[in-house]
Amino acid sequence: DAGITQSPRHKVTETGTPVTLRCHQTENHRYMYWYRQDPGHGLRLIHYSYGVKDTDKGEVSDGYSVSRSKTEDFLLTLESATSSQTSVYFCAISSDHGTASYEQYFGPGTRLTVT
Amino acid sequence: RKEVEQDPGPFNVPEGATVAFNCTYSNSASQSFFWYRQDCRKEPKLLMSVYSSGNEDGRFTAQLNRASQYISLLIRDSKLSDSATYLCVVGHNDMRFGAGTRLTVKP
Repeated sequence: DAGITQSPRHKVTETGTPVTLRCHQTENHRYMYWYRQDPGHGLRLIHYSYGVKDTDKGEVSDGYSVSRSKTEDFLLTLESATSSQTSVYFCAISSDHGTASYEQYFGPGTRLTVT
Repeated sequence: RKEVEQDPGPFNVPEGATVAFNCTYSNSASQSFFWYRQDCRKEPKLLMSVYSSGNEDGRFTAQLNRASQYISLLIRDSKLSDSATYLCVVGHNDMRFGAGTRLTVKP
């Protein structure tokens, strides 16, 4: 299994509070991703990173920000959590896209509930 | 219309059965295709990549039809342990996930 961990694994927070989720990898992969998964939807990309300090938006980026100060860590922040952000959040990594393979490997997920 | 569509199922099959899933995609520029499996309350795990010529891995066979823009997954001799949700993933620089097809294999 790819060396990816996420913390916390479960979190309950109140509307309006800031929340930061952490993804840590030991694979030294260049690309890191944050997805959310909701019933009836596939995984939807929130933000991704293609290197230290290099990030870009995905299809559902509103209300989220990210940072990557080290290769191994990718942080997802909900500036002011809303109930619509209750979801399961997965981090993923992939190696250099130069291989034309975009195989992604996922962390165990974080279950976030916003009350 | 969703970019990647899958029959949500559930597919309920007996052990030993052969089952097939299809997945259609809308972006004709897509270059990469994968099947993942996801167990209940777990992360998705890569099952297999899908190549233009089709590919097989044990009891699993994946096919790609670019003209009709769909990929398929065939599972032969189903095992109880195959029970999971199967996710179709399609894309180029930006990967898109289907919502998944749920399979239950029963004794």
